[in-house]
Amino acid sequence: ETGVTQSPTHLIKTRGQQVTLRCSSQSGHNTVSWYQQALGQGPQFIFQYYREEENGRGNFPPRFSGLQFPNYSSELNVNALELDDSALYLCASRTLQGQGTEAFFGQGTRLTVV
Amino acid sequence: AQSVTQLDSQVPVFEEAPVELRCNYSSSVSVYLFWYVQYPNQGLQLLLKYLSGSTLVKGINGFEAEFNKSQTSFHLRKPSVHISDTAEYFCAVSDWTSQFYFGTGTSLTVIP
Repeated sequence: ETGVTQSPTHLIKTRGQQVTLRCSSQSGHNTVSWYQQALGQGPQFIFQYYREEENGRGNFPPRFSGLQFPNYSSELNVNALELDDSALYLCASRTLQGQGTEAFFGQGTRLTVV
Repeated sequence: AQSVTQLDSQVPVFEEAPVELRCNYSSSVSVYLFWYVQYPNQGLQLLLKYLSGSTLVKGINGFEAEFNKSQTSFHLRKPSVHISDTAEYFCAVSDWTSQFYFGTGTSLTVIP
């Protein structure tokens, strides 16, 4: 049991809509990262939050945005959904103390855009 | 930027046989290396990681991996697989940004 929980587990949205995905990080972890995993692919880094500030971003457009709250939980928001946004979205939490700390992943939210 | 190549997209193997899943990486800076496993409809679970020190790393469920700096490889091995090892396996590197770069995955199928 990793302690990272994501909600909802599944979601169906229509193209052009907006969606918010949520993540509760493992106790004691101050860093949350979001990844997009398309079918048959490895996870791709979207962005990372450390103590409520974004401190890293992958190659994703601005319509992908996020928040981290004082309790270190996090949200991923995607505006103007496109069909290619259909994927498994994974949240990972870790403690950013030194390098090489492992990330603990949630079970993901499966987003389908129709 | 870093990149990870998993050389085999699918690996079928008979139960109790040994298996090796190959991973090569490209980086101009020091990296940390990881193997994660993903079961159907699940998130990622850490199998093992290499940070420094001994190049042979032992992980959970009988898996081990060897870091080879000259060949920029981090291959995953298990001497005897079980049906329950059927899953998707991802090799990943992490650098000073703490961002993970994943390979495209290897689907391991254990045949009874």
